[in-house]
Amino acid sequence: DAKTTQPTSMDCAEGRAANLPCNHSTISGNEYVYWYRQIHSQGPQYIIHGLKNNETNEMASLIITEDRKSSTLILPHATLRDTAVYYCIVRVSYGGATNKLIFGTGTLLAVQP
Amino acid sequence: ETGVTQTPRHLVMGMTNKKSLKCEQHLGHNAMYWYKQSAKKPLELMFVYNFKEQTENNSVPSRFSPECPNSSHLFLHLHTLQPEDSALYLCASSSRDRGMGEQFFGPGTRLTVL
Repeated sequence: DAKTTQPTSMDCAEGRAANLPCNHSTISGNEYVYWYRQIHSQGPQYIIHGLKNNETNEMASLIITEDRKSSTLILPHATLRDTAVYYCIVRVSYGGATNKLIFGTGTLLAVQP
Repeated sequence: ETGVTQTPRHLVMGMTNKKSLKCEQHLGHNAMYWYKQSAKKPLELMFVYNFKEQTENNSVPSRFSPECPNSSHLFLHLHTLQPEDSALYLCASSSRDRGMGEQFFGPGTRLTVL
């Protein structure tokens, strides 16, 4: 699975958009980009995933560059409850029941009041 | 109960004790996972079970013994642990029908080995 690079930490003002970048320059054509987050001392929570096209759900938007070498997770209106470590993961999805996820160190997003 | 539950939430044990961690998922999923998260380190995948069969063991020491009696329950039996095994142990599950990397995690068991 391709390796990802994320900033160690970021700050964001409450109510503003949080844009979290991820570099995955060695991504293969069949590898998806997934985002999870982990609020302190809790289990990780799935946010969103994508292959080529931009994706949006009730939690966030995922923007993937045309060459797929980087992506950005956007939280449109960050709240204090969005303070967490955000993980960007790339892997092949075989469509089966098991999906091996390799977590890196992620980005600690601190939303400031 | 909904989602993935783990018990106990906190556990303190001595190096000579034997204890078990329990995970239960109420999502109808087919696969279950154990992860370990030590302080200041990324999550490490330990074991993967698919339809009760172990499909992955990430070179985990034998003092950790998993058991998956059915697709809804997963145990991690612990014996003669070391202080460096103190960590947050997380259970997760996923489904063949939603097999795109969407794993659902439990809240974890915070383990302290004295």
